[in-house]
Amino acid sequence: KQEVTQIPAALSVPEGENLVLNCSFTDSAIYNLQWFRQDPGKGLTSLLLIQSSQREQTSGRLNASLDKSSGRSTLYIAASQPGDSATYLCAPETGSARQLTFGSGTQLTVLP
Amino acid sequence: DAGITQSPRHKVTETGTPVTLRCHQTENHRYMYWYRQDPGHGLRLIHYSYGVKDTDKGEVSDGYSVSRSKTEDFLLTLESATSSQTSVYFCAISDGTQVGYTFGSGTRLTVV
Repeated sequence: KQEVTQIPAALSVPEGENLVLNCSFTDSAIYNLQWFRQDPGKGLTSLLLIQSSQREQTSGRLNASLDKSSGRSTLYIAASQPGDSATYLCAPETGSARQLTFGSGTQLTVLP
Repeated sequence: DAGITQSPRHKVTETGTPVTLRCHQTENHRYMYWYRQDPGHGLRLIHYSYGVKDTDKGEVSDGYSVSRSKTEDFLLTLESATSSQTSVYFCAISDGTQVGYTFGSGTRLTVV
């Protein structure tokens, strides 16, 4: 059974800092790994998808890396802004139905 | 999200009553999923579908049933709602390739 751990559980930083969010998973037989953000009371917004054959993926100020063999992914957020405040969720895709397994997330607060 | 809608958005129901939640997609994706999100547990898979009339159980399927009679619709039914089924329910779709998941906006269900 896939298990996902995200560290830290919560993070509060001043605006402008570069951030690192960590995700580890127990089953390395994944198809893809997806990072999402969730704002309070809202749904999930896809940020980045890394295919199992890729090492990293970039979108604007976001960069996600994947080390499938060691079961780790990292999300880098450059020059953080108050609008980045949200919960960030990591989800590897595994199994015959390609289901996502979620960690508990990292709750990020960026202070102005 | 564009291409996937959930209904209703909010519902309050009494213990013991049946409840059906609807997920509708316009993307013609093969896979559809129902997740629930609860504080302290994160997002957990309830049921999923890999085609019309093809469904299977997820991690927390007890007390739930699903049906998929058309590609675009995936129904989640609580046969006899209990207070432990108070939660936020998310539907998701995937085409099973490298595009990743798209989530609906969620249904907030309260069982009193």
